[in-house]
Formats: sequence, structure tokens, C-alpha cells
Amino acid sequence: DAGVIQSPRHEVTEMGQEVTLRCKPISGHNSLFWYRQTMMRGLELLIYFNNNVPIDDSGMPEDRFSAKMPNASFSTLKIQPSEPRDSAVYFCASSFTGELFFGEGSRLTVL
Amino acid sequence: KQEVTQIPAALSVPEGENLVLNCSFTDSAIYNLQWFRQDPGKGLTSLLLIQSSQREQTSGRLNASLDKSSGRSTLYIAASQPGDSATYLCAAGLISNFGNEKLTFGTGTRLTIIP
Repeated sequence: DAGVIQSPRHEVTEMGQEVTLRCKPISGHNSLFWYRQTMMRGLELLIYFNNNVPIDDSGMPEDRFSAKMPNASFSTLKIQPSEPRDSAVYFCASSFTGELFFGEGSRLTVL
Repeated sequence: KQEVTQIPAALSVPEGENLVLNCSFTDSAIYNLQWFRQDPGKGLTSLLLIQSSQREQTSGRLNASLDKSSGRSTLYIAASQPGDSATYLCAAGLISNFGNEKLTFGTGTRLTIIP
């Protein structure tokens, strides 16, 4: 298996633009997580899906953030409009037994 | 609210030494505790997962222990190698109000093995 695949690996955009991050979980995993990592706050859980259904979105910072999982093999995290404080590395992770497998992350820079 | 602390933030040791990384958590009602490794510019790789009913897990040169009553976990690395240089993060799992397992991560210990 290729592992969790995220795209893009790097994104540089200007404030106010829409950003879409994509994730393909490991086949057969029924849980998907979006995390954000910054130097100041470390790793924070943004949202958790189970069987494609959003279960816990209490970590989504505000209405500018939205996430979808239309099927078991694809998820998106969208930021609209983006702000400089959204600059971070965004990780997607998937799980079946409780052990998390992470993608390599999408590094977002908002100018 | 669960808080996870890892001390020290950085550690350098000569190659070949055994070492211990520490993790403490405030809420002892954890579901499990996981140790991860993160290399620069990369995602996290799961090293060991200890269920709440277990006291330790071993994988190769790595051994992780869990003491729920004291809110502590340790990661022991035997015979360290330069390839062990990375940031090590622990994460405590709780069952959230939504019924899912929610991991709270520490900020990590950056380990450097000196050849």
C-alpha cells in the first residue's frame, strides 16, 4: 500500500484566496483525521471522520474551514478565505485499529 | 482537558548509549498511549501503541512503558544509532464527548545521536 497520500505537498497563496488540501487514506481504513501542526501550538486535531461521516469537528478553528469526505478514498480540507495565521503543515491520517498512519503533510504558506 | 508534556524538548547523546524519553499526561482515564517519530519535513510514523490495560510494548530496540496512575510513559531506546535522530512525540488517547478516540499530542523531544 502506498500509505496516506496528500496533495499538494507545498502551497503558497495570498491572503483571501481559497485553498483546498486533498487526502487519500489507506484502503480499508474507516477513520480519517485532519491535523494541523505549528511551532506554537504543536499538533491539533481539526476534524475526524468515521465511515465517511464527520464525527468530531470541534477542532475546526472557524467557519472559514470546511472538510468533506465524499467517499472512503478521498477527503478535502478547504480554507476560504485564507489568512496568514493559517500558515502551517496540515496532516491527514487514517486508522482502522486505532493506530494512526500519517501522510507527509501539506505545507501551507499564506502571504 | 488533557495536557501532554514531554521533557526535555531536545536531547543529544553519543552513539551507542541507551536513553529514555519522558511523557506525562494529566488525565489518567486514557484509552491508549502512542509514541511517534517525526523526521524533518515528514509525517509522523507510529512506533508503539500501548493499550490502557497494558504496561509496556516492545519493538526491536524500542520499549515503551505506561503508568496510568502516575500519568507517565517512557520510551526507552537501546544502543542508540545516528539513524534514531528525529523528533519523538507521544500522544494520549481519550474517548471524546462524541464517542471517538481523540489523541492529544505532546510537543515532542528532538533527539540527536552524535556519531
